Amino acid sequence: SAVISQKPSRDICQRGTSLTIQCQVDSQVTMMFWYRQQPGQSLTLIATANQGSEATYESGFVIDKFPISRPNLTFSTLTVSNMSPEDSSIYLCSSTSGRGETQYFGPGTRLLVL
Amino acid sequence: GQSLEQPSEVTAVEGAIVQINCTYQTSGFYGLSWYQQHDGGAPTFLSYNALDGLEETGRFSSFLSRSDSYGYLLLQELQMKDSASYFCAVGYNFNKFYFGSGTKLNVKP
Repeated sequence: SAVISQKPSRDICQRGTSLTIQCQVDSQVTMMFWYRQQPGQSLTLIATANQGSEATYESGFVIDKFPISRPNLTFSTLTVSNMSPEDSSIYLCSSTSGRGETQYFGPGTRLLVL
Repeated sequence: GQSLEQPSEVTAVEGAIVQINCTYQTSGFYGLSWYQQHDGGAPTFLSYNALDGLEETGRFSSFLSRSDSYGYLLLQELQMKDSASYFCAVGYNFNKFYFGSGTKLNVKP
């Protein structure tokens, strides 16, 4: 299994600013994933990040708003740009097991935009 | 698009058996997974079905029927610590995963 850490664990930000969330995995993984989860709601996939290539974004999410970096096989960042109160949510990163059927999640970043 | 529907909330008593259903309108996925999420916590993997049928892992079992577009998670000998939200999820080619609407399980003494 993979152990995933995220920083920051929570933040309160002003609208119009940007926040970069870091995700660190304790082993090398091919794919990392970024999700958004509103309290009490399901997880929505934002994008898939592969090392050495551009992230693949889901419908409704664009690179200008959520730029992602994947500089190596153990690390990724997600930036929430030009934030508005609607961006208040929990942001989770994950990776898959070697066989791909299991996802391991970081503890999440709780973001409140005022 | 992908649509995975679950009951929003289920209540059961300690020691009982509860079944959480997942009906979906999607195809071509590799497998159906189940995750548990306690309030304030991260989702944790419970079970996975690549093939139709029942998979048993301790007190938890999961079932998949692709012909019926249906799966379920069965929790036996319920404990108070099982109170959490449960999500089904489908995976495509191991690089896309879509989660169901989620079921909040309340276990009463």
